[in-house]
Amino acid sequence: EAEVAQSPRYKITEKSQAVAFWCDPISGHATLYWYRQILGQGPELLVQFQDESVVDDSQLPKDRFSAERLKGVDSTLKIQPAELGDSAMYLCASSLSHSGANVLTFGAGSRLTVL
Amino acid sequence: AQTVTQSQPEMSVQEAETVTLSCTYDTSESDYYLFWYKQPPSRQMILVIRQEAYKQQNATENRFSVNFQKAAKSFSLKISDSQLGDAAMYFCAYRGTGNQFYFGTGTSLTVIP
Repeated sequence: EAEVAQSPRYKITEKSQAVAFWCDPISGHATLYWYRQILGQGPELLVQFQDESVVDDSQLPKDRFSAERLKGVDSTLKIQPAELGDSAMYLCASSLSHSGANVLTFGAGSRLTVL
Repeated sequence: AQTVTQSQPEMSVQEAETVTLSCTYDTSESDYYLFWYKQPPSRQMILVIRQEAYKQQNATENRFSVNFQKAAKSFSLKISDSQLGDAAMYFCAYRGTGNQFYFGTGTSLTVIP
């Protein structure tokens, strides 16, 4: 069964350090999403890609966060510098593009702890 | 942005019994989709059930069914014959025409043996 791959699963870092997360969506899924999920809350969209283009990054803290999907396949989310409040689960999800039957398929997530 | 509200932070159910999780949403769109996702402890989020807004018939998937009230903007999930494996966080989600998904804050379901 096709899966969304994410790495690393766990990351512990000190504040002010740089961190990066990687996501490989399901083959053929043109839309890729990065969500942040704070413990006990629902996922919040950080950035949405359609192929290699950003569709929505209105909630991405651009002073420290960046995301790219250069070839329209896998994607990297970077945080520099990390802050204590960035501790969360970072979820990647993908979906077929603008299909009426679109559903999100999630990866296992990357749990970030900032000390 | 659309808003999705889950007013029940925690729910519990006896094994083999039925439980209903509530969800309301706010939108001005007429064409949209609604979803329930399940997130077991330390495991990834998976789709439970989805509903197209243009369909009047409520969706069902085995022991899971929804009560979709479009006029009331309500979308509840009913789990019948609850099993221990149903214990998880359940998130209601909305997808509109922009292909963006909005999630509620979740309901933590405990299944009591």
